[in-house]
Amino acid sequence: EVQLVESGGGLVQPGGSLRLSCSASGFTFNNYAIHWVRQAPGKGLEYVSGISSHGRNTYYAYFAKGRFTISRDNSKNSLYLQMSSLRAEDTAVYYCVKDRMVSAISHLDYWGQGTPVTVSS
Amino acid sequence: DIQMTQSPSSLSSSVGDRVTVTCRASQGISISVAWYQQKPGKAPKLLVYAAYRLESGVPSRFSGDGSGTDFTLTISSLQPEDFGTYYCQQYYSTPLTFGGGTKVV
Repeated sequence: EVQLVESGGGLVQPGGSLRLSCSASGFTFNNYAIHWVRQAPGKGLEYVSGISSHGRNTYYAYFAKGRFTISRDNSKNSLYLQMSSLRAEDTAVYYCVKDRMVSAISHLDYWGQGTPVTVSS
Repeated sequence: DIQMTQSPSSLSSSVGDRVTVTCRASQGISISVAWYQQKPGKAPKLLVYAAYRLESGVPSRFSGDGSGTDFTLTISSLQPEDFGTYYCQQYYSTPLTFGGGTKVV
C-alpha cells in the first residue's frame, strides 16, 4: 500500500523558516517524481514544487523560487521542503504527492494527509 | 506558466442531474490534463488522466473529454457521494498548475 506521511508543519513567525518532510513507503521511491502541493484555508489547490526521480531536476511555482528548496534522499525514501522567508500567505496545508509515471512528470496518483503550516506572529 | 481557468466556480445540482465542469488552458496542452475530486478535510482523489482516461475504481458516470485548450469533466447522473470540489490540472509543462476549482453543492 502506497503511503506518504508528511511532518514538520507548525506555527512559525513571519520571516521564519520551516522544513517539511515526507516519508514514503509501498512503492519504489527512486522511480518517481514527487511534488508538494498546498491548500490555503478555504482556497484551492496550488502547486508548490517538484523533484525528479533522481533528484537532478527541480520545479518551482513562481512564489516558491528563491525561498523554498526541494530535495530528496532516495536512500531514506524521503522528500523535503525547506521553506524560508515565510509570509502569512504561505499559511496552508502542504501535501506530499506522488507522480504516476516512472521517470517523468505527469498526473498525481497518491496524496499524503497533509501537514499544516501557519505563519503568524 | 500555463494558466488553467475553470468554470463555473460553483454549481448547484440535484441527485440525478448531468453535471459538466469546464477547464481552459492558456495554451495548447494536447491531452495532458487530469481531474481530481476533493471532499472537505480530505486529500484530493484522482478521477481522470490524459483528458479522458478513467482512473481505476472510478465510477463510469464520470467522463472526461477535450484536447488542446478546452477540456470537460462530466458526471452523467449525479450521486450523493459526488458532492465536493473538482479540480483540473495540466502536466504538459512544469510547473504543474491547477484550475481554481468547481464546488458542486
